[in-house]
Amino acid sequence: DAGVIQSPRHEVTEMGQEVTLRCKPISGHDYLFWYRQTMMRGLELLIYFNNNVPIDDSGMPEDRFSAKMPNASFSTLKIQPSEPRDSAVYFCASSPKRYEQYFGPGTRLTVT
Amino acid sequence: ELKVEQNPLFLSMQEGKNYTIYCNYSTTSDRLYWYRQDPGKSLESLFVLLSNGAVKQEGRLMASLDTKARLSTLHITAAVHDLSATYFCAVDGAYGGSQGNLIFGKGTKLSVKP
Repeated sequence: DAGVIQSPRHEVTEMGQEVTLRCKPISGHDYLFWYRQTMMRGLELLIYFNNNVPIDDSGMPEDRFSAKMPNASFSTLKIQPSEPRDSAVYFCASSPKRYEQYFGPGTRLTVT
Repeated sequence: ELKVEQNPLFLSMQEGKNYTIYCNYSTTSDRLYWYRQDPGKSLESLFVLLSNGAVKQEGRLMASLDTKARLSTLHITAAVHDLSATYFCAVDGAYGGSQGNLIFGKGTKLSVKP
């Protein structure tokens, strides 16, 4: 298995632009998680899905952030409009049932 | 609210020495995980601890869990440079439930020097 796949790996955009991050979980995993990592705040859970249904989005910073999981093999995290403070590494992770999470390589987002 | 505290946050060790990283959490949980992150890389799962008294070992790393004390330790034996990384503990925030959200500690940045 290729593991969790994220794209793009790096994204540089200007403030105000829309950014879409993509994730393909490991096949057969029921849970999908989106995290954000910064030096200041560490690793934060943004939202997670179970069987494609959003379960907890309390970590989503504000309405500018949205996430979807249209099917078991694909999820997106969208930021619109983006701001410099959104600059971070965004990780997607998946897990089978309630068990350890497998992290993707991350997307390093820079908003100028 | 579940809180997870690691200490120390920074650890500089000499090769060959032993040390322990501590992970305390604030509410009952039945699952604890240790992850490793190399600079600029993703998180790699090291250990999954599922019950009180659980102990797991891999190479020079050994992790243990005391659910009554709400404490997990990651012990490093005879450190080598390759162990230099940031180590995170994470606690399952849904004790007995069906959710899988993890609450992460801030991480311990380990540097092993010759």
